[in-house]
Amino acid sequence: DVKVTQSSRYLVKRTGEKVFLECVQDMDHENMFWYRQDPGLGLRLIYFSYDVKMKEKGDIPEGYSVSREKKERFSLILESASTNQTSMYLCASSPNHKMSGNYGYTFGSGTRLTVV
Amino acid sequence: AQSVTQPDIHITVSEGASLELRCNYSYGATPYLFWYVQSPGQGLQLLLKYFSGDTLVQGIKGFEAEFKRSQSSFNLRKPSVHWSDAAEYFCAVGASNTGKLIFGQGTTLQVKP
Repeated sequence: DVKVTQSSRYLVKRTGEKVFLECVQDMDHENMFWYRQDPGLGLRLIYFSYDVKMKEKGDIPEGYSVSREKKERFSLILESASTNQTSMYLCASSPNHKMSGNYGYTFGSGTRLTVV
Repeated sequence: AQSVTQPDIHITVSEGASLELRCNYSYGATPYLFWYVQSPGQGLQLLLKYFSGDTLVQGIKGFEAEFKRSQSSFNLRKPSVHWSDAAEYFCAVGASNTGKLIFGQGTTLQVKP
């Protein structure tokens, strides 16, 4: 089975800190995604990547950046964390650039980030 | 534009009762449809998916879903709910030429003893 591993389950950071959320998948998937999940707002796409060093903005990219230097790793970066970025962050991957709609995603367990 | 609507934000059922969670989609071509479940504090797990063929699909944990093209619906069902089914459920539609899934807002299921 494909595994998507998020490095931290819970994280507490201070306002203004630079925060890195790491995600690793082990099945050579091309596509990787970062979502945030908030009560009443569902899943909102922050960024996604179809290949190494490629990235595309999702619906809510403001305040975030991403890095994909290796195929298996997709990092979400909060340049200067703010309290409104307190949320559950979910990473996902899927096999093939244009075929993701066919296969669906495999999700990690999530990182609950609290910014104080 | 593609979209997914889950009309029920919150549903409460008694343990042992039947369950139906509604999902309506908007998509021009034949959709690829998915149901995911999220237990508290966890990521999303795939329950089942529909690509083509038989419109009644079976999934894990005793769930099934029926694709009805005429109603643009893909409702999730379970004949007898267990307390461990309490979770949030997401319906999603995949657009094969974009690589992305479009998710509904989710339905939270509470199970009464």
